[in-house]
Amino acid sequence: DSGVTQTPKHLITATGQRVTLRCSPRSGDLSVYWYQQSLDQGLQFLIQYYNGEERAKGNILERFSAQQFPDLHSELNLSSLELGDSALYFCASSPQGAETDTQYFGPGTRLTVL
Amino acid sequence: GENVEQHPSTLSVQEGDSAVIKCTYSDSASNYFPWYKQELGKRPQLIIDIRSNVGEKKDQRIAVTLNKTAKHFSLHITETQPEDSAVYFCAARHTSGTYKYIFGTGTRLKVLA
Repeated sequence: DSGVTQTPKHLITATGQRVTLRCSPRSGDLSVYWYQQSLDQGLQFLIQYYNGEERAKGNILERFSAQQFPDLHSELNLSSLELGDSALYFCASSPQGAETDTQYFGPGTRLTVL
Repeated sequence: GENVEQHPSTLSVQEGDSAVIKCTYSDSASNYFPWYKQELGKRPQLIIDIRSNVGEKKDQRIAVTLNKTAKHFSLHITETQPEDSAVYFCAARHTSGTYKYIFGTGTRLKVLA
């Protein structure tokens, strides 16, 4: 157990809908990262937050947004869902978000868009 | 743009043999290189990492080597066991302007009993 929690574990929804994925980092970690992993694909970095502020942005679609709250938990919002958005979404956390910080991954949320 | 190439995409070895997975990165400013193991449907788990001021690091049956000049790093697993079967991802910490991780495309390792 990495100490990073994600809810829900599974999510099934329809095209056009909007969902929110939640992540709680390890105790003391200030930085949160979001990744998307499609079937048999690698990990695509979406976005990173550090202590409430956006720090880095990857291949995140405009239909997706995220934020990190004062208690350091983070939410990833996915809207106008398409079939291709079906994937495993992982959150990871690290202490400072610094260059050489180790990231610890949560168990993931499996999103299925029908 | 920045990227990390990982080879091979699949690797089958006999139990007890060694396995080597190689990655090449493009950002010469990268200075941290973790390796993750991911079993089917589970989270990636850090198995070993190396920083750019070190050339080699070993942890029991797992070792990582880094060649900064050539911008490549490798994962070595010795005396492989069936439970080593998984997908392995390398990553490089991209530091030019942002602090994001770039992951390789993964290697599916099968250890045959």
